[in-house]
Amino acid sequence: DTGVSQNPRHKITKRGQNVTFRCDPISEHNRLYWYRQTLGQGPEFLTYFQNEAQLEKSRLLSDRFSAERPKGSFSTLEIQRTEQGDSAMYLCASSSRQVPPRDEQFFGPGTRLTVL
Amino acid sequence: QQQVKQSPQSLIVQKGGISIINCAYENTAFDYFPWYQQFPGKGPALLIAIRPDVSEKKEGRFTISFNKSAKQFSLHIMDSQPGDSATYFCAATGRKLIWGLGTSLAVNP
Repeated sequence: DTGVSQNPRHKITKRGQNVTFRCDPISEHNRLYWYRQTLGQGPEFLTYFQNEAQLEKSRLLSDRFSAERPKGSFSTLEIQRTEQGDSAMYLCASSSRQVPPRDEQFFGPGTRLTVL
Repeated sequence: QQQVKQSPQSLIVQKGGISIINCAYENTAFDYFPWYQQFPGKGPALLIAIRPDVSEKKEGRFTISFNKSAKQFSLHIMDSQPGDSATYFCAATGRKLIWGLGTSLAVNP
């Protein structure tokens, strides 16, 4: 399977705990995106990497959120001191400007976070 | 400010009918307009996309109509099937995707 993969698929945690999610993009894609989606809403942009550089962060991304893409391949999204309002589906997508189809974002299956 | 406005919010269609979802955008710098299909508990999947130099694109039962002067584009699903029941999102992008709020489509058997 050469699509975008995300782990874990589901995470249940208690308020105040830290969680980390992983995204493995399509191998030839240099762009990686994180989104958050709550029930009945469209995905909300969180942050974006081109290779290992984090080029943009949404104002939605508070100081408790941090994302890394250390070698320009997989990425991690960490949420510290989780709150119930963090409960959502966290989606990862990847794309490439060089590899056709250009700019098309391919999404992973998401990680569903539930904060109790 | 919603840069991509999508309507209707929900849609019920009989099997075999035509489903039509409309979107309007504001930013003339947008240069790529994808539609995504999302089933419950799954990530969005790219359905069909169009660039502004083309007025229509058809892939199987799915057609995008694009009106650059009106800054509007729409998705038509011909011969709608119960398996098409999902949430559909339009989007537009320059550097990053700007999403519509989604349309929940139900196709009755």
